Amino acid sequence: DIQMTQSPSSLSASVGDRVTITCRASQSISTYLNWYQQKPGKAPKLLVYAASNLQSGVPSRFSGSGSGTDFTLTISSLQREDFATYYCQQSYDTLMYTFGQGTKLEIK
Amino acid sequence: EVQLVESGGDLVQPGGSLRLSCAASAFTFSSYAMGWVRQAPGKGLEWVSGIGQSGGTTYYADSVKGRFTISRDNSKNTLHLQMNSLRAEDTAIYYCARVITYRSDYWGQGTLVTVSS
Repeated sequence: DIQMTQSPSSLSASVGDRVTITCRASQSISTYLNWYQQKPGKAPKLLVYAASNLQSGVPSRFSGSGSGTDFTLTISSLQREDFATYYCQQSYDTLMYTFGQGTKLEIK
Repeated sequence: EVQLVESGGDLVQPGGSLRLSCAASAFTFSSYAMGWVRQAPGKGLEWVSGIGQSGGTTYYADSVKGRFTISRDNSKNTLHLQMNSLRAEDTAIYYCARVITYRSDYWGQGTLVTVSS
């Protein structure tokens, strides 16, 4: 199975900050990498797919990059509504799309 | 608008069984792969199982292999997860998710499964 490791596990930041979350795969997954945002009590929401493609309706302050084993999600200027937990997900393994452990983004 | 509505979550004793359902609407259900994802209380997301468009191919996490069975009824636009030999560690919110080109773009609101005596 492909293991996904995110860092950091938690992060404190202020409104307006630039934030980067990292995700590493245990083997090369090309660009089969997605990012989700989850707020308490809600289902996950797709933000970025195929490593760098913004899902429709997602603000342009979100961006993704990377290929192979190393990926990043960047929020260019944090807004209050961005404080949430973020998950990476590999979709290289057919219909066994494992997640990273999550990164909780909190207000400083 | 695309909708996924899970049902069937309940309190069940260890060793018991439960069948979850996910009713899909506003899209051509038979054209999409589907998956089940769970989230234990206070924990992260875990991909549990996936199924191809026709139902002919199924995939399971090691943690549920041999105990859970995913299936679909394309005539009724419904996804199922049959869960047997339930354990305390299966306690979680279970989400169904639509799969399109290697990503899950729509999710249900989740249904809570609690395994406890």
